[in-house]
Amino acid sequence: AQSVTQLGSHVSVSEGALVLLRCNYSSSVPPYLFWYVQYPNQGLQLLLKYTSAATLVKGINGFEAEFKKSETSFHLTKPSAHMSDAAEYFCAVTTNSGYSTLTFGKGTMLLVSP
Amino acid sequence: ETGVTQSPTHLIKTRGQQVTLRCSSQSGHNTVSWYQQALGQGPQFIFQYYREEENGRGNFPPRFSGLQFPNYSSELNVNALELDDSALYLCASSLAGQGPSGYGYTFGSGTRLTVV
Repeated sequence: AQSVTQLGSHVSVSEGALVLLRCNYSSSVPPYLFWYVQYPNQGLQLLLKYTSAATLVKGINGFEAEFKKSETSFHLTKPSAHMSDAAEYFCAVTTNSGYSTLTFGKGTMLLVSP
Repeated sequence: ETGVTQSPTHLIKTRGQQVTLRCSSQSGHNTVSWYQQALGQGPQFIFQYYREEENGRGNFPPRFSGLQFPNYSSELNVNALELDDSALYLCASSLAGQGPSGYGYTFGSGTRLTVV
């Protein structure tokens, strides 16, 4: 079984500040990890994914995440927040299986103030 | 290349009614997965279809059922609607054998179902 825990249902930052969204995972097998973004009234857009290659993963829109096995973490960061980053962010995990599905965290709403 | 399209975008149903939601998979994809996203929650896996058969199911009761057609499009049917079924329903298409870690696991924009 696998699960993810996202710490903080809401995170507020100022425009230009560092964004840090936290995700810890639990998995009995080597995990594949994902961050998705959801804008209001829209579906899910993949930001980045870890698939056992490099532990530091770079995604779209300047986001990146680092897989830390010792800490069972996969935190999402962006050096400088932009107003357009305001959205809900979901961490998700799956196993290395062709027919596997995603298990999502509850999400973190990122609020960006001017 | 077309993306994943879902219809309708919104609908309102009365408790006890039945509803059908539709999903057209991305061109070239042959597997469809359905997720339910309740307000303030992350999406939860309902079931997955491949070769017109269900090949995986989450913790949802039998009144949630589905179909996949030869063109790989899919339907989600919910019978005897309950108020708690109000949610955003998302479908995702992919290539069999790749799963979410493979290239191109793509979500549609969802159908917002409100049960009153």
